[in-house]
Amino acid sequence: KQEVTQIPAALSVPEGENLVLNCSFTDSAIYNLQWFRQDPGKGLTSLLLIQSSQREQTSGRLNASLDKSSGRSTLYIAASQPGDSATYLCAVRGGSQGNLIFGKGTKLSVKP
Amino acid sequence: GAVVSQHPSRVICKSGTSVKIECRSLDFQATTMFWYRQFPKKSLMLMATSNEGSKATYEQGVEKDKFLINHASLTLSTLTVTSAHPEDSSFYICSARAIVAGAVDTQYFGPGTRLTVL
Repeated sequence: KQEVTQIPAALSVPEGENLVLNCSFTDSAIYNLQWFRQDPGKGLTSLLLIQSSQREQTSGRLNASLDKSSGRSTLYIAASQPGDSATYLCAVRGGSQGNLIFGKGTKLSVKP
Repeated sequence: GAVVSQHPSRVICKSGTSVKIECRSLDFQATTMFWYRQFPKKSLMLMATSNEGSKATYEQGVEKDKFLINHASLTLSTLTVTSAHPEDSSFYICSARAIVAGAVDTQYFGPGTRLTVL
């Protein structure tokens, strides 16, 4: 059974810092991996999607990497801003028709 | 980008009543819609998957008679929490998988519905 773990559970950094969020999964046979952002009391916004054949994806200040063989992904946020404060969720899909399996998320707080 | 709406965003009801939550894909057709439940500091838990015109597939441990799902069209799915109890209080999020030829399979998520049962 696939399990997704995110470390740390919470992170507080001063504005301007570069930071890394970690995601690990137990079954390396994934179809794709996705990073989401969730603001308090809100739904999920997709940030980056990495197919199993890809090593990384970039969007603006965000860069996500995938090492499928070791069951790890990282989300790198450059020059963090207070507006980046949110919970970041990692999810993996086991097959093209498989369901998303979510981690518990990392709650990020960026202090001005 | 694709938009998924949920209604209502927040509902408070008395124990024993039933509550219906609507999920709509606003600018695309969804082959499949998903219903999730989220507890504080926990992962999103998939409750059920529904395909338009067919019965929903429920995850293990989810009572299908308690959580009724109807997927009447390619743009609308409803979740009805029947005879709600305080332990049903939670944040419910729907998601829709888009039909986009040649595009990467993507799920879009609704804004969620906060259910509080008194």
